[in-house]
Amino acid sequence: EVQLVESGGGLVQPGGSLRLSCAASGFTFSSYWMTWVRQAPGKGLEWVANIKQDGSEKYYVDSVKGRFSISRDNAKNSLYLQMNSLRAEDTAAYYCARDTMIRGVDIWGQGTMVTVSS
Amino acid sequence: QSVLTQPPSVSGAPGQRVTISCTGSSSNIGAGYDVHWYQQLPGTAPKLLIYVNSNRPSGVPDRFSGSKSGTSASLAITGLQAEDEADYYCQSYDSSLSGWDVIFGGGTKLTVL
Repeated sequence: EVQLVESGGGLVQPGGSLRLSCAASGFTFSSYWMTWVRQAPGKGLEWVANIKQDGSEKYYVDSVKGRFSISRDNAKNSLYLQMNSLRAEDTAAYYCARDTMIRGVDIWGQGTMVTVSS
Repeated sequence: QSVLTQPPSVSGAPGQRVTISCTGSSSNIGAGYDVHWYQQLPGTAPKLLIYVNSNRPSGVPDRFSGSKSGTSASLAITGLQAEDEADYYCQSYDSSLSGWDVIFGGGTKLTVL
C-alpha cells in the first residue's frame, strides 16, 4: 500500500524549532519529487517547500525562506522539514505529499499538527 | 490572499450540477501551466481529484470533470451527491525569480442542500 506517515508535530514556543519527518512506503521514494503543504486551522492549503528526487533542487514559499529547510534520505525513504525561528503564523497541519510534477500531488499523508504558542 | 481566486462557497441540491471556478493570471494559468483539483472531506487530508486540467485519477467518478481556458479553470460536478460535500482546491504554478512556485486557490466549500 502506498503510504506517507508524518511525525514530529507538537506545541512549540515562538522562536523555537521543530523537525518534521515523513516515512514513505509502497513506492520507489527516490523516483519522486516530494513536497510539504500546510493548512492553518480553518484556512486553505499553502505549499511550503519541495525537493527534487536527488535533493539537488529545493524550493520554498517566501514566508519560510531562511527559516525552514527541506531534506530527504532516500536510503531511509524519509522526508524531513526542519523548522526554525517558528512564529505563531506557522501554526498549521503539515502534510507530506508526493508530487508527480506533471500529474499533480497524488499521495498525501494524514498530516501532523504544529502549534506555535507561548 | 491567494494567487488563484475561487468562490468561497457554492451549493446545490442532490442530482444538480455545480461548477467551481479558479481564476488566475498571465503568470500562472495563462502562462500555460496545468491546473489540478483536490477534494478535502471534513477532517481528512486532500485527495487528488483532477490532474492536468481535465484528467481523472483511477477511482474518481466521471461525475467530476475539469476544464481550462485562458487564465481560468473550472471544476464541474454533475449528479450531486451528499458525499460530495467537501472543500475543493485548485492548484497550479506561478513564474517567479527562482523558477516557479506551487500555488493553491483559496478553496471552495461545497454544500449539498
